[in-house]
Amino acid sequence: GAGVSQSPSNKVTEKGKDVELRCDPISGHTALYWYRQSLGQGLEFLIYFQGNSAPDKSGLPSDRFSAERTGGSVSTLTIQRTQQEDSAVYLCASSAGTGAEKLFFGSGTQLSVL
Amino acid sequence: KNEVEQSPQNLTAQEGEFITINCSYSVGISALHWLQQHPGGGIVSLFMLSSGKKKHGRLIATINIQEKHSSLHITASHPRDSAVYICAVPYGGATNKLIFGTGTLLAVQP
Repeated sequence: GAGVSQSPSNKVTEKGKDVELRCDPISGHTALYWYRQSLGQGLEFLIYFQGNSAPDKSGLPSDRFSAERTGGSVSTLTIQRTQQEDSAVYLCASSAGTGAEKLFFGSGTQLSVL
Repeated sequence: KNEVEQSPQNLTAQEGEFITINCSYSVGISALHWLQQHPGGGIVSLFMLSSGKKKHGRLIATINIQEKHSSLHITASHPRDSAVYICAVPYGGATNKLIFGTGTLLAVQP
């Protein structure tokens, strides 16, 4: 596609429910990154993919968070048993390679956990 | 001490003014990113630089690797430049696993 696409743009869920967030990167981009932006923490790294593999999951805040990428393209970030502190904007970005390259960001998913 | 520090946190300017936003970092880096986020909007990458200076339109970014410092300049500022400007550096190595600064909220008044 022309840009990085994320869905849904907004998600309201109840505490304890599972949610799935989707990211469709720019076609041909090898690297895909998930970040989170919350009021108290600012922007923080969650996980990145090189192709379909995730060399670095160190930013995932707990084992309730997982992510996968299939076909070197679409990625889903899953949060199980959501908590109120998970409320944030979840941002996806892609780049042509996994080095220090220009990032292209999606518009994010605003997650609100009630 | 944060690994990436920006100053100022907030900046109000009059249209036409020259603006400078500073970023200091404590880790060794391969490149530094400057990002722009408009209110309610997504994030746009403005620059990625590893040395010297880059210019795009009215925006100029400079970096001094030895001093671990970068600046973003806006010449002839305009109200549409109002946004949050964020610098970010890699944790280590040449990746986009980034540490972000807390951002500078810029308001340019007409």
